[in-house]
Amino acid sequence: DAGVIQSPRHEVTEMGQEVTLRCKPISGHNSLFWYRQTMMRGLELLIYFNNNVPIDDSGMPEDRFSAKMPNASFSTLKIQPSEPRDSAVYFCASSSLALGGEKLFFGSGTQLSVL
Amino acid sequence: QQQVKQSPQSLIVQKGGISIINCAYENTAFDYFPWYQQFPGKGPALLIAIRPDVSEKKEGRFTISFNKSAKQFSLHIMDSQPGDSATYFCAATFSGNTPLVFGKGTRLSVIA
Repeated sequence: DAGVIQSPRHEVTEMGQEVTLRCKPISGHNSLFWYRQTMMRGLELLIYFNNNVPIDDSGMPEDRFSAKMPNASFSTLKIQPSEPRDSAVYFCASSSLALGGEKLFFGSGTQLSVL
Repeated sequence: QQQVKQSPQSLIVQKGGISIINCAYENTAFDYFPWYQQFPGKGPALLIAIRPDVSEKKEGRFTISFNKSAKQFSLHIMDSQPGDSATYFCAATFSGNTPLVFGKGTRLSVIA
């Protein structure tokens, strides 16, 4: 089992640029979550999908953020345009609804720095 | 009502000592309370979890104590080791595949 795979591991960009973060969940998992981690706010849920359908995006901070899950094995989180305050570690996690959905498996995260 | 409050923010423990991290919640509908462990450069990983039908759960050196009436739960790490140095997050949710609500984390340092 390869685990949840995120790319890139690190992203440095300039303010105003578009940023796309990618996630491949564990095969067979049908729930996918995007979290953002900062020192001040800890782990914040941005959005989650069940069976590729967005269920709750109320955590998405602004319209600059968007997420898609075109199929069961791939999701993207896009920030356009990026701002310095978006600098954080972004985590993708997946779980299996068949097993109750509570146990989350996290990827290693993408460290985003917006200059 | 969705908050989980975690303390302390950081903790330094001597090797062999007991590490204790506390969490409090408000939503009485929560029925699953996990603890996650995160090492630098890695994502959080499930360490141990408890449901409110028991007051304590132990796995090796790690124990969760749960107080339903006080709406509090805590993680105890017995015989703490330098390898336990990490950030620990408590979390809560209710059944039905709702997302975990996380505490803000506790950075634990175990010194020799």
